[in-house]
Amino acid sequence: AQSVSQHNHHVILSEAASLELGCNYSYGGTVNLFWYVQYPGQHLQLLLKYFSGDPLVKGIKGFEAEFIKSKFSFNLRKPSVQWSDTAEYFCAVGVTGGGNKLTFGTGTQLKVEL
Amino acid sequence: NAGVTQTPKFQVLKTGQSMTLQCAQDMNHEYMSWYRQDPGMGLRLIHYSVGAGITDQGEVPNGYNVSRSTTEDFPLRLLSAAPSQTSVYFCASSTRGVIYTFGSGTRLTVV
Repeated sequence: AQSVSQHNHHVILSEAASLELGCNYSYGGTVNLFWYVQYPGQHLQLLLKYFSGDPLVKGIKGFEAEFIKSKFSFNLRKPSVQWSDTAEYFCAVGVTGGGNKLTFGTGTQLKVEL
Repeated sequence: NAGVTQTPKFQVLKTGQSMTLQCAQDMNHEYMSWYRQDPGMGLRLIHYSVGAGITDQGEVPNGYNVSRSTTEDFPLRLLSAAPSQTSVYFCASSTRGVIYTFGSGTRLTVV
């Protein structure tokens, strides 16, 4: 079975700072990779996804993520965060043909201060 | 287009009571799933379905039942509520290959 590790549980940044959230997974086969965001009191929304092809994927709101197969990593980045990016971020892994089951990391709580 | 609709939004149960969390989607998605979200633990899969009449267990299925009689509906039943089932429950639906849409969640408290 696959597993997902998110190393940063709480991150506090000032506006305009750069963001990188780590995500590592363990699975020997082909995976689909996702980042979801959950704003306070809301449901999860898809930020970006990787299935195949260019390992650098761009998502909504200026977020991007890079898939590094050799490191089993899929880190999320944003060059300049805004106060409105305050939210919880979840990395998730899905296995092709696995019934669409997603395995989520434990999440990273991001707080952006003015 | 409503997407994924969950009811109720909030619920308080007494230990031992049973209840059904409702989930409906109007996107004709084949796949539906139930997750629970607990602080520091991310989302964990309870049950999932790959189509009407087909369900299977996820990571934490104990104490929960599901059925999928139609493509649209995927109710989650708590058989005998326990305080350990206090959580936020999310239903999600997807086309083949990826989960696109989550419901707004049900916050359940078991006292």
